[in-house]
Amino acid sequence: QKEVEQNSGPLSVPEGAIASLNCTYSDRGSQSFFWYRQYSGKSPELIMFIYSNGDKEDGRFTAQLNKASQYVSLLIRDSQPSDSATYLCAVNRNQGGKLIFGQGTELSVKP
Amino acid sequence: DTAVSQTPKYLVTQMGNDKSIKCEQNLGHDTMYWYKQDSKKFLKIMFSYNNKELIINETVPNRFSPKSPDKAHLNLHINSLELGDSAVYFCASSQDRRPETQYFGPGTRLLVL
Repeated sequence: QKEVEQNSGPLSVPEGAIASLNCTYSDRGSQSFFWYRQYSGKSPELIMFIYSNGDKEDGRFTAQLNKASQYVSLLIRDSQPSDSATYLCAVNRNQGGKLIFGQGTELSVKP
Repeated sequence: DTAVSQTPKYLVTQMGNDKSIKCEQNLGHDTMYWYKQDSKKFLKIMFSYNNKELIINETVPNRFSPKSPDKAHLNLHINSLELGDSAVYFCASSQDRRPETQYFGPGTRLLVL
């Protein structure tokens, strides 16, 4: 079992729709959770992080965490073609900043 | 002004060669990392240094040797390159080992022929 799992996609949504990206993790000792966006040929960039159960909103992005179910998700409202990228989920177990990544979900937003 | 820079951006070399990748950050961070991203986009940490001290050393072949001459620099030397070393290598830095401050460099694309 992988430590962090994501559907690889591609996930295709029409412009203006809500994109829902999901991630599960295996270690209950995981303490913080991150969503990175990576455009093709570019480096990962942090878009959201969450520590506590519940929702955290930032603009069009909402991260949701459910520690009991070991599940974290990212919602993107009003999806735009510029949101088309690979989204990487990562967890931290408070081990010197070590991030453990999932394999990423490729999102395609169609105009 | 680039926050985390890597040189070279591209590296094409033959099997068996030795090569180095350099990383520099001007964010004033005290922790630096090397990650490897394979062809399937799986990103995995290799090493981390905090104030020039090695704090994370994942299961990586000992052909890979990191070196941090100071807090702002982290280099990666790879001996006897193999086909499987072909990947994108990302350097990152953070402050106080806080992952929410972690910032990635542009990556070095290594192709071993």
